[in-house]
Formats: sequence, structure tokens, C-alpha cells
Amino acid sequence: DGGITQSPKYLFRKEGQNVTLSCEQNLNHDAMYWYRQDPGQGLRLIYYSQIVNDFQKGDIAEGYSVSREKKESFPLTVTSAQKNPTAFYLCASSIAIRGEQYFGPGTRLTVT
Amino acid sequence: KNEVEQSPQNLTAQEGEFITINCSYSVGISALHWLQQHPGGGIVSLFMLSSGKKKHGRLIATINIQEKHSSLHITASHPRDSAVYICAVSDRVTGNQFYFGTGTSLTVIP
Repeated sequence: DGGITQSPKYLFRKEGQNVTLSCEQNLNHDAMYWYRQDPGQGLRLIYYSQIVNDFQKGDIAEGYSVSREKKESFPLTVTSAQKNPTAFYLCASSIAIRGEQYFGPGTRLTVT
Repeated sequence: KNEVEQSPQNLTAQEGEFITINCSYSVGISALHWLQQHPGGGIVSLFMLSSGKKKHGRLIATINIQEKHSSLHITASHPRDSAVYICAVSDRVTGNQFYFGTGTSLTVIP
């Protein structure tokens, strides 16, 4: 079955620690995205990647970093510089940058 | 300033009712997307459309490009339709900028 996997589903960290969220897809999609969802707000774009070894900042990239070493994988690191890291994080992919997006199940990160 | 506005924010319906969710946007778009988010958080893409109308089962999506407006209709609603429905548009110029509405929370009561 083709799809997007994110792990873990729930993640708890202490303030000041970096944490990496996993996103893997086996849809052979070129484009991948990371979004953040907060209560009462629409999804906001953190980073996106159109192709391997290339990625661009979205609207709220500060405090986050990504890598795209393989087509299938687009991990997101939430650094200690991110002031409000507690949120629901969604990864998505599409065939190309303008295409229909397929979403992963999400990771709920809680930082205390 | 919100590029995408949805209405209503919350909607409760009796099973079997016809439901309409509206979406208005203010930017030039290459496509409009309707997404469904279930309580667990996962998001499913329902429709991607740039003109006219699309139908899938009991779901119908329409778009009026001139009026910058789209509607999602659910016929013969069922409790399993209970979810948050999100409208999103992809920017016409760059294609890589997506704008999302805040969602419409639908509850269908048996």
C-alpha cells in the first residue's frame, strides 16, 4: 500500500531539547511539505521540498530545520529556538509542486 | 488577513440532511482543495478542482472562479461524515504556496 507514514503519533519532550519528527512516503512523489496546526488556526507551512537535496522555507520556518537526502524521507527537527513548539505536525507529499497533496497521520508534539 | 474564509465554523445536522459548506478566497489560484480531517487528526484529500463541479459518492464540490467561491455539499448526511472540512487554495503564481481555511466542524446526529 502506498502512503505517508509519520512517527511517532505522540511525542513528549522537555523544553530546551531538539526533537526530530519522521516523515516517509512510498508514493514516488517529488514534493514534500511540513505543516503545523494549532487550535482555531489553519495549517501553516513550515518547509517544503520540490526535489532531493533542495528545500525552501515556508511561512513559519524559524526554529525548525529539515533535510531531504532521499526522495522518500523529509524529517523535521524542532529546535530549542522554536518558542512555541507544542502543536500538531502534518507531513504531506504531492507528485509535483502544484499537485494534489496526500497527508500523513500527523505527530502531536508536547513540550513541557 | 485571511486569504481563505470558510463558513460556517461549526455545523450540526440530523442524519439524512443536505449539508453545504462554503469557502471564499481572495488570491488568484491554480486549484482549490477540499480536505477532510477526522478526530484522530489525519487528513484526506476529497477534491482538487480548478473549474466547474466534481462528484464523488455523496460529496459534490463546485467552484466559481469569477466569484472566488467554492461549496462542498454532502447529500444524505451520515454520522460517519462527522469531521472537520478544510478548504485550501494553491497560489496561481508560484504554485507552491497553499492557503488554508480554519475548517468547518461538522457533527451529524443519528
